[in-house]
Order: sequence, then structure tokens, then C-alpha cells
Amino acid sequence: SAVISQKPSRDICQRGTSLTIQCQVDSQVTMMFWYRQQPGQSLTLIATANQGSEATYESGFVIDKFPISRPNLTFSTLTVSNMSPEDSSIYLCSGGQGLTGELFFGEGSRLTVL
Amino acid sequence: GENVEQHPSTLSVQEGDSAVIKCTYSDSASNYFPWYKQELGKRPQLIIDIRSNVGEKKDQRIAVTLNKTAKHFSLHITETQPEDSAVYFCAASGGGKLIFGQGTELSVKP
Repeated sequence: SAVISQKPSRDICQRGTSLTIQCQVDSQVTMMFWYRQQPGQSLTLIATANQGSEATYESGFVIDKFPISRPNLTFSTLTVSNMSPEDSSIYLCSGGQGLTGELFFGEGSRLTVL
Repeated sequence: GENVEQHPSTLSVQEGDSAVIKCTYSDSASNYFPWYKQELGKRPQLIIDIRSNVGEKKDQRIAVTLNKTAKHFSLHITETQPEDSAVYFCAASGGGKLIFGQGTELSVKP
């Protein structure tokens, strides 16, 4: 298994600002992903964080709004840029070994945009 | 891309009864189907999973069945307990990334 830590756990942000969320895994994982979970909703995949290269974004998500870095096998960041109240959500980092398919999740970062 | 549909959205049962949650998926290439339980304010936790080469898997009170021909899979919880109350998500994966269903809020009444 893998233990995934995220920070910040929560933050209140002003409209128009940007915030970077950090994700640290306690062991090397093949795959890392970022999800968004709006209140009372399911998990929506934002992108696959690729080590050393540009992330792969899902439909409806773009790099300019959600730039992602993954410099090594245990760390990734997600930036939410130029925030609006619609970006208020929980952002979850996940990681897994790919071959087994099992994904572990961080505790989430709850962002509130005023 | 993959699309996962989950039903019902809410489910209320009496303690001791069984609960069944059903999911369908669209991509025939998907080969891994996990179920996650999420308690309020907590992260999703994997409770059981099944791969495409298996039709059924059981772990104590929890079982999952998979019908690849029909592209649907189900979660079965027997002898439900109040601590089973949570939101349950199914998911499907064909290349590592998980696509989730809409979730089922299960309420177990004492």
C-alpha cells in the first residue's frame, strides 16, 4: 500500500488568486492522478501526472487552469489558477502501481474561493 | 472514453438486511473494477476490487460480481451494520486511471 499526504488540507482563497496543492507519497508509485470532488458529488478525474513530462488532461480541464508538475515518482503538485467560486471543491491526489490497478488517495485539500 | 453509471443514488436498509449497488461501464477494454467507501469528510477507501478474469470475489460480508458480456458489476453487502453507512463508489479502469460512478449513499438503520 501507499500513504499519500496532501497539503494544505484546507484553505480559503480570494477570487483571482492561485493556489498550489502538494502531494507526497511514501513510496514510489508508477501512476499519480488528480481528482476533483465537488460537495455531494463523485470524483472527477482532472489529469494524469506524468513524471518528467506534461500531464495528460481529461476533457474539460486545461493546463493553463490546472498546471501540474511531477518531478519524481513520489511527489506532484496541482495549481488551481485564477480561482473563481466555481473552483471551490475538494482536490484529491491519488497514486498506484498501475499494474495492480489499486489506487490510494490522499486526504484531500478543501478549497473555498470567496 | 469510459463512462460508469451507478444505481441507486440512495439506499436505505434495516440493520441485518442486504444491500446491493449496481454499476455499468461502457469501455469493453476496462479490466479492473474497484469499490470505494467514503465516510463523511474522509478520503475514499478501497473495500474490494475485481479483475476481468474473475466473475465473483468475496471478502467476509462484502462480495462483488462482474458480468463482462453485459458490462456490469455489482457490490453486495450482507448482514449490514450501522457502520456500513457511507457513500460507496464503483469505478472502472483500463489503463491505470479510474473513472468513477456517481456514488450511492447507503444508510443502515438500527
